[in-house]
Amino acid sequence: HSVLTQPPSVSGAPGQRVTISCTGSGSNIGAGYDVHWYQQLPGTAPKLLVYGNKRRPSGVPDRFSGYKSDTSAFLAITGLQAEDEGDYYCQSYDNSLKTLYVFGTGTKVTVL
Amino acid sequence: QVHLVQSGTEVKRPGASVRVSCKASGYMFARYAIHWVRQAPGQSLEWMGWINVGDGGTKYSENFQDRVAITRDTSATTVYMELSGLKIEDTAVYYCARDLEVGGYNYGCFDLWGQGTLVTVSS
Repeated sequence: HSVLTQPPSVSGAPGQRVTISCTGSGSNIGAGYDVHWYQQLPGTAPKLLVYGNKRRPSGVPDRFSGYKSDTSAFLAITGLQAEDEGDYYCQSYDNSLKTLYVFGTGTKVTVL
Repeated sequence: QVHLVQSGTEVKRPGASVRVSCKASGYMFARYAIHWVRQAPGQSLEWMGWINVGDGGTKYSENFQDRVAITRDTSATTVYMELSGLKIEDTAVYYCARDLEVGGYNYGCFDLWGQGTLVTVSS
């Protein structure tokens, strides 16, 4: 049911930078709707990491940054740390589907 | 402390209904919409619907249109999600989540989540 496509997995060594892509279409990201990112650590609820394409909630380190271009959005994690290991999801609004809010397929981040 | 606390694990038979509660505390309950999102085992997240806590208005995903109902009890600062006609594939963790509002603008994302409620549907 996910209409936003993410790579299944990305990995990097501690201290490295990784980037996760989120590809949508003209009815969601391409229509100008904001993209948001969540981090889900094993066995826990998702946590809002980035909202409004590039804004960080209070308490989220500036190692996490987001940006959007055309029908895609990206989450960059710099200075990768062991505690960053988990699943990451993008989310946006869609004006064409039966469901208003859509999530990405999810990306597993592994710290080598 | 700002919290959303959900009710506990449920095990249901196919065809039954389940009601999950979500109690809010630490903020102005009526100000923020509450959404319900579910996650099947090993799967991504799926939006089910939301309620305007202030006036009780609701909007549901058409994937659940005829089976889901979201209500609220303002005196108890609690939101409820009832899913009827349960199927095996409804087995999932169900989350309530608060709509993010900053400076009067709703961003259409979710800044506060409940801990999740596992609903298992099995014969």
